Amino acid sequence: AQSVTQLGSHVSVSEGALVLLRCNYSSSVPPYLFWYVQYPNQGLQLLLKYTTGATLVKGINGFEAEFKKSETSFHLTKPSAHMSDAAEYFCAVSEVTGNQFYFGTGTSLTVIP
Amino acid sequence: NAGVTQTPKFQVLKTGQSMTLQCAQDMNHEYMSWYRQDPGMGLRLIHYSVGAGITDQGEVPNGYNVSRSTTEDFPLRLLSAAPSQTSVYFCASSYSRFSTDTQYFGPGTRLTVL
Repeated sequence: AQSVTQLGSHVSVSEGALVLLRCNYSSSVPPYLFWYVQYPNQGLQLLLKYTTGATLVKGINGFEAEFKKSETSFHLTKPSAHMSDAAEYFCAVSEVTGNQFYFGTGTSLTVIP
Repeated sequence: NAGVTQTPKFQVLKTGQSMTLQCAQDMNHEYMSWYRQDPGMGLRLIHYSVGAGITDQGEVPNGYNVSRSTTEDFPLRLLSAAPSQTSVYFCASSYSRFSTDTQYFGPGTRLTVL
């Protein structure tokens, strides 16, 4: 089975600062990669995904992520944090030939005014 | 479109009771799945379905049953509830069985087993 590691269960940034949330996966074959966001008491929403093609993927709300095969990573970034970005963020992977998704343990982002 | 709906929003059960969590989608999606979310453990796949009449086990299927008699509905049954099943349950759907498709999540059911 796939394994997804999110470093840092809690991240705090100041409003306007760079957001960097880390995600690493364990697979000999590059999987499909996803970032989801969960606002309090809500379900998950897709932020962005990488399947094939360009390794820098842009998503909603100004977020982007870069797939780095050599580092088995898919870190999520946003140049300038906004108060509305405070939420839980989940990295997920799925196998190219499969139909199951594997989620990381999540990173809670706090934005300090 | 209502998207993915789940009922109930909250439920409290006693150990040994059974119940069904309902999930429905109105997007004609082929793929549906159930996850449980526990603190510090992220989301874990319980069961999934790639179409009506077809279901399969995920990572943590024990203690749960599913069936998919229609495209729209994918209920999750707890046969004999245990405190270890206290969790938040999410249903999700996507257009096809291919893992490139976006999954749409319901708002969740918060279950407490006493």
